[in-house]
Amino acid sequence: AQTVTQSQPEMSVQEAETVTLSCTYDTSESDYYLFWYKQPPSRQMILVIRQEAYKQQNATENRFSVNFQKAAKSFSLKISDSQLGDAAMYFCAYRSPASGGSNYKLTFGKGTLLTVNP
Amino acid sequence: NAGVMQNPRHLVRRRGQEARLRCSPMKGHSHVYWYRQLPEEGLKFMVYLQKENIIDESGMPKERFSAEFPKEGPSILRIQQVVRGDSAAYFCASSPLGGPGVILYGYTFGSGTRLTVV
Repeated sequence: AQTVTQSQPEMSVQEAETVTLSCTYDTSESDYYLFWYKQPPSRQMILVIRQEAYKQQNATENRFSVNFQKAAKSFSLKISDSQLGDAAMYFCAYRSPASGGSNYKLTFGKGTLLTVNP
Repeated sequence: NAGVMQNPRHLVRRRGQEARLRCSPMKGHSHVYWYRQLPEEGLKFMVYLQKENIIDESGMPKERFSAEFPKEGPSILRIQQVVRGDSAAYFCASSPLGGPGVILYGYTFGSGTRLTVV
């Protein structure tokens, strides 16, 4: 079974600076999908960024980018120019490939609570 | 498009009562997924439903929990004889397609129902 580990329960960053959130995962599959979700106090789960394992290029969405290291099974999220609105719980998640069974399930880590200091 | 609507947002039940959580998927979405988030944990898959069908309930506790997605109306997650350990946030997500379509279109999550058992 796949597992997702987020080793940083809490992180803090100064406004306008850069922060990196860590995520590692364990899988025997060669193709899969990885995600970062943001959960603000409203509880809404918001997709921040996704990465397909077959793509070597790291995904980027505006101020958010990932460092995907497939061999190391590492998938970190970098937030540049941090803003107060980035404060939230961030979850890393794994999904099996389309050709496999249970490809609709997401496996989540326990989350990292990000605080942004003004 | 109103998104995935969950109600109630907060629900308080005494031990032994029944809890009914409702989820209306996005318009045009016929696949619904329920996840549970225990305190200080990530979301964990419970059940996947299509209209009038339970596709995968492998994450549901065997007793007291049931789910349905009728032809008309919202999906319902029912918890009978609630206990303190059922206190959690329950999230619903929907997608327009299952299987490979989930990979393509992803999920949309609702804002969850926070169940508190007193």
